[in-house]
Amino acid sequence: GENVEQHPSTLSVQEGDSAVIKCTYSDSASNYFPWYKQELGKRPQLIIDIRSNVGEKKDQRIAVTLNKTAKHFSLHITETQPEDSAVYFCAASREGGKLIFGQGTELSVKP
Amino acid sequence: DGGITQSPKYLFRKEGQNVTLSCEQNLNHDAMYWYRQDPGQGLRLIYYSQIVNDFQKGDIAEGYSVSREKKESFPLTVTSAQKNPTAFYLCASSIYGAGANVLTFGAGSRLTVL
Repeated sequence: GENVEQHPSTLSVQEGDSAVIKCTYSDSASNYFPWYKQELGKRPQLIIDIRSNVGEKKDQRIAVTLNKTAKHFSLHITETQPEDSAVYFCAASREGGKLIFGQGTELSVKP
Repeated sequence: DGGITQSPKYLFRKEGQNVTLSCEQNLNHDAMYWYRQDPGQGLRLIYYSQIVNDFQKGDIAEGYSVSREKKESFPLTVTSAQKNPTAFYLCASSIYGAGANVLTFGAGSRLTVL
């Protein structure tokens, strides 16, 4: 069945450094790739998403890149801040289909 | 509270008991979902519903049941058949047919089996 693999499971960076989280997916028909951020004790919230007709999307310090040929996509956070500390989930789905989530990455930004 | 409300926030259950988690949304979303969150395993889909009076099993439906009698409500029952029910349960909703399954999550319910 469909599967999304996410790496690394934990990531620790120094404030101001960049962080990169990578995901691979198995369903070649997937065309929607969102990223959710879950702060400690809070609900997951969408931070950025990308569709298959776009290779890269940026929103301030956050960017997502997509390589459909290789079936992988990545989240890039630049100039990390302590408030970026959270668990990040990638996901993939077909048009109108159910989302399949990765296992999550716990990002820790050290001041 | 984001338009989607889950209750209770914390729930304790004795083995052999069924419990029902409530999920209500006022976003006029057609689709609703239940996910289970365990450390290191991401969000796993239990059941989802794209329209009233219809629902489908997700990846880990065994030991769970749902109903969708109203658009606004999608309760989840954790039955005694669920072997390891202690977990954090998240309900979500989305606009069906919008082409992008942007999910709005509730605050979650933490179930502990004593």
